[in-house]
Amino acid sequence: DAAVTQKPRYLIKMKGQEAEMKCIPEKGHTAVFWYQQKQSKELKFLIYFQNQQPLDQIDMVKERFSAVCPSSSLCSLGIRTCEAEDSALYLCSSSQQGGGAETLYFGSGTRLTVL
Amino acid sequence: GDSVTQTEGPVTVSESESLIINCTYSATSIAYPNLFWYVRYPGEGLQLLLKVITAGQKGSSRGFEATYNKETTSFHLQKASVQESDSAVYYCALGDTNTGKLTFGDGTVLTVKP
Repeated sequence: DAAVTQKPRYLIKMKGQEAEMKCIPEKGHTAVFWYQQKQSKELKFLIYFQNQQPLDQIDMVKERFSAVCPSSSLCSLGIRTCEAEDSALYLCSSSQQGGGAETLYFGSGTRLTVL
Repeated sequence: GDSVTQTEGPVTVSESESLIINCTYSATSIAYPNLFWYVRYPGEGLQLLLKVITAGQKGSSRGFEATYNKETTSFHLQKASVQESDSAVYYCALGDTNTGKLTFGDGTVLTVKP
């Protein structure tokens, strides 16, 4: 079974603090996607890495987030200055090569609460 | 941009009844998107239920079926007889054919009563 690991499971930050969450993609997968889900609603795409390089990201990520994949076995998503609206479940997923028909394998997520 | 609209939940059905969860999509940046249904069972992570990458084709898994209809831009999920273990949140998703990036619907919470 595919296994994408995310840590921590829960993260509590005060407004204005920095937050960081980590993801270990499925072994051998070269594509990594991050999604944000608020209040069990739709999953909102944040950023896409292929072979550790960011190839697509939304404006919010460019402006306030920091996302890197320093190795093929570790990625991280950071928020430079947390705001209340950042409270959400952050899901990391990976696929083998990033092709359109591939299955995405998801981690259990990091639930961020900003107070 | 691309978008997915699916049946607004929660949906409650009794065991052995039939089920349909509607899904329609709008793909403005993708000519021929791939279509997916993902499911999150209680206490578990999001996982693929089924996918179809060719218009006109049908995908099936665990008794669920969905047909990729390009004319009506729909990908409805159906099951003839649901079980209590089908209780979960179901997400319809549209996939970018190049990158695999998914655009998700809001999800439909399904509860199957015994």
